[in-house]
Amino acid sequence: KAGVTQTPRYLIKTRGQQVTLSCSPISGHRSVSWYQQTPGQGLQFLFEYFSETQRNKGNFPGRFSGRQFSNSRSEMNVSTLELGDSALYLCASSRLGTSGISGGNTDTQYFGPGTRLTVL
Amino acid sequence: GESVGLHLPTLSVQEGDNSIINCAYSNSASDYFIWYKQESGKGPQFIIDIRSNMDKRQGQRVTVLLNKTVKHLSLQIAATQPGDSAVYFCAETPGGYQKVTFGTGTKLQVIP
Repeated sequence: KAGVTQTPRYLIKTRGQQVTLSCSPISGHRSVSWYQQTPGQGLQFLFEYFSETQRNKGNFPGRFSGRQFSNSRSEMNVSTLELGDSALYLCASSRLGTSGISGGNTDTQYFGPGTRLTVL
Repeated sequence: GESVGLHLPTLSVQEGDNSIINCAYSNSASDYFIWYKQESGKGPQFIIDIRSNMDKRQGQRVTVLLNKTVKHLSLQIAATQPGDSAVYFCAETPGGYQKVTFGTGTKLQVIP
């Protein structure tokens, strides 16, 4: 089974521009979560989508948005880029959702390789 | 965004020795805990998980221990190998589709 894929792997943008990142989850997984990883702040949760609906959201400004398509693929958009947006953006997929626990079963997230965004 | 720490502690271990990586979690309502390994240039990789109704779980060369009384989680790696060198993250969640919160991470360096 193919893993989570993210495109592009590397991206360089300038301040004020916008960017769209893409994530294809593992086949059969309906939940996609996005994280921002920086050396100073570690891994921070951005949002989670399940069946095309945003189900959870972290504490990021409205410049960060996302969506999910009917095939579970997800995109993340950052508008009006700032220098501080430089980070590794990780996507994770799971079958039911962010650690959705039902009937005693755990649900693990599987991460993609990330998109390294550099804002100049 | 939420802060998950500013510093990355480092653990240096001789090849063949056992490694113990510790994690203090903050949410007493957390019900599910996961350890991830992240190698340079890659996304986090699932290692092992444990639910709050357990205090120990073993995998291949890894053991996770959970102490809910003091909100402490540990990852033990037996016979540490150079390929174990990576950053290790613990993660916690209350479950019920609540978001996952990651710890700061610990860098494991294996000395050949």
